[in-house]
Amino acid sequence: KNQVEQSPQSLIILEGKNCTLQCNYTVSPFSNLRWYKQDTGRGPVSLTIMTFSENTKSNGRYTATLDADTKQSSLHITASQLSDSASYICVAASGGSYIPTFGRGTSLIVHP
Amino acid sequence: NAGVMQNPRHLVRRRGQEARLRCSPMKGHSHVYWYRQLPEEGLKFMVYLQKENIIDESGMPKERFSAEFPKEGPSILRIQQVVRGDSAAYFCASSPPSKTEKLFFGSGTQLSVL
Repeated sequence: KNQVEQSPQSLIILEGKNCTLQCNYTVSPFSNLRWYKQDTGRGPVSLTIMTFSENTKSNGRYTATLDADTKQSSLHITASQLSDSASYICVAASGGSYIPTFGRGTSLIVHP
Repeated sequence: NAGVMQNPRHLVRRRGQEARLRCSPMKGHSHVYWYRQLPEEGLKFMVYLQKENIIDESGMPKERFSAEFPKEGPSILRIQQVVRGDSAAYFCASSPPSKTEKLFFGSGTQLSVL
């Protein structure tokens, strides 16, 4: 059964600090992994995509990593801003299905 | 190129009434997904449709819920005889015809059942 587990469930940090969100996935056959950001009251928006052959990818202050051997991914946010407060969702896609597998998300709150 | 459009943004229904949620996918997208989200919870897959076909409805309750994506017009998620437990945010997403393309989400419909 395809599964995506995220940790921590929630995180509170001060503005300007860095943080790292974790994602463990069990998806077969693995195709790619995306991180989405969901602001309160809005739909999720894709931040980055990681394929099997990629280890690290950056998008501004967001850096995603992927370890295909351990089936783990992380999202690192540098120099957090108040606008980073949102839910971050890890989503793994399988080459064998049109239905990607969603994690429950990590709720990030950035305090001034 | 307009994004995924959902309407209404907010919908209030009394118990026993019907709720109809609409989703217009992005231009060129033939795949539509519906998700449900309760407060402080993750997105739960409900149904996946292609034009005129329901491909996977494994996440949708067998009773009272139905979905369609006609050849012309938006995709519709229909909930008959709503109950308080149906109160949630319902998100629609669309994608091009590929198993690995990213999903583009609408802003959701917040359904409140009184």
